[in-house]
Amino acid sequence: GENVEQHPSTLSVQEGDSAVIKCTYSDSASNYFPWYKQELGKRPQLIIDIRSNVGEKKDQRIAVTLNKTAKHFSLHITETQPEDSAVYFCAASKGGSYIPTFGRGTSLIVHP
Amino acid sequence: DAGVTQSPTHLIKTRGQHVTLRCSPISGHKSVSWYQQVLGQGPQFIFQYYEKEERGRGNFPDRFSARQFPNYSSELNVNALLLGDSALYLCASSRGPGQGKDEQFFGPGTRLTVL
Repeated sequence: GENVEQHPSTLSVQEGDSAVIKCTYSDSASNYFPWYKQELGKRPQLIIDIRSNVGEKKDQRIAVTLNKTAKHFSLHITETQPEDSAVYFCAASKGGSYIPTFGRGTSLIVHP
Repeated sequence: DAGVTQSPTHLIKTRGQHVTLRCSPISGHKSVSWYQQVLGQGPQFIFQYYEKEERGRGNFPDRFSARQFPNYSSELNVNALLLGDSALYLCASSRGPGQGKDEQFFGPGTRLTVL
């Protein structure tokens, strides 16, 4: 089955800095890669996703890049703000069935 | 437009008991998936249902079962509870396989504590 590795487990940055979270996956058939943000005590919320037919997608301060050859994808957050503090999860799945495998999560802490 | 709802929000059970968790998907969504999230880890896939049929099953013992009703709501049942079943149980809804959209939307979860 699919295996998703996520790094780092904890990321501490100063407000205004950029943050990068990296994930690798094992199944070359995976073609849908969502990212979720989970604040303490709340549900995971989809923040951005990318499909295998594109290499990069951007939404305001958030961007995701995908390298299918190397089987890794990354989340980039620019101009971080304290409200970006949360646990971020990457996931990988084969489109159509959508049974995603999640990474273990990255706790992002943005210091004011 | 209501999001995914789950009940109850919190539940305390003792070892050996049985529990039933409930989920109502977003209106128009026909697929429901269940996940177990242990503290400090990502959600682990348990089941996916679409049009009342099981579409996928994760690596969980037979003590875990689920079903989907004609109105697309779903129940997750866990028998013979163990301490290790303590977790946040998340339900997620989506339009369904092959519907052009893969996005899943999570409910608030049910926090299960087994004593």
